[in-house]
Amino acid sequence: DVKVTQSSRYLVKRTGEKVFLECVQDMDHENMFWYRQDPGLGLRLIYFSYDVKMKEKGDIPEGYSVSREKKERFSLILESASTNQTSMYLCASSLLHHYEQYFGPGTRLTVT
Amino acid sequence: AQKVTQAQTEISVVEKEDVTLDCVYETRDTTYYLFWYKQPPSGELVFLIRRNSFDEQNEISGRYSWNFQKSTSSFNFTITASQVVDSAVYFCALRVSGSARQLTFGSGTQLTVLP
Repeated sequence: DVKVTQSSRYLVKRTGEKVFLECVQDMDHENMFWYRQDPGLGLRLIYFSYDVKMKEKGDIPEGYSVSREKKERFSLILESASTNQTSMYLCASSLLHHYEQYFGPGTRLTVT
Repeated sequence: AQKVTQAQTEISVVEKEDVTLDCVYETRDTTYYLFWYKQPPSGELVFLIRRNSFDEQNEISGRYSWNFQKSTSSFNFTITASQVVDSAVYFCALRVSGSARQLTFGSGTQLTVLP
């Protein structure tokens, strides 16, 4: 079974803090994704990566950056957290030419 | 641009009832893929099914069935004889061929199955 893990299930940070969300997958997938999930809006793509050190912006990249130094790990960075970044963050991965994405359990981030 | 609409925000049914979750999509592409995911209270999205635009055969998997109709741009999901464990948020998603590798998700339908 594909396993996608995220470093924290719940996180509380203060406005202005730098926040790192980590995601690790163990199935040698080329593609990795970061989404945020908000009520009534579904999942929206923040960034994705199809290879080490490669990244592409999704629909809502503003206020976020990403890092992929190793194939199995994809980090989402909030340089200066703001209250409107309070959300559920979901990481996913997939094989390069496959369409099914496999999701981690999510990190519920609260910025106060 | 692609769009997925799940007009039903919340649905409640009593156990053993059948329930259909609606999904309507918009795309100009002729080759695309449709998905359903389940998100139980634990939070992790679980892949249920993928359909490509050239295969309009309906699919049945146990109590789950999917009705794909290109003529109405719909990909509806029916649970037969619902159970409490079916309670979850269900997402429909779309990916067009040749696009970036992202999925366009609907806003989800919260299904509650009451005992």
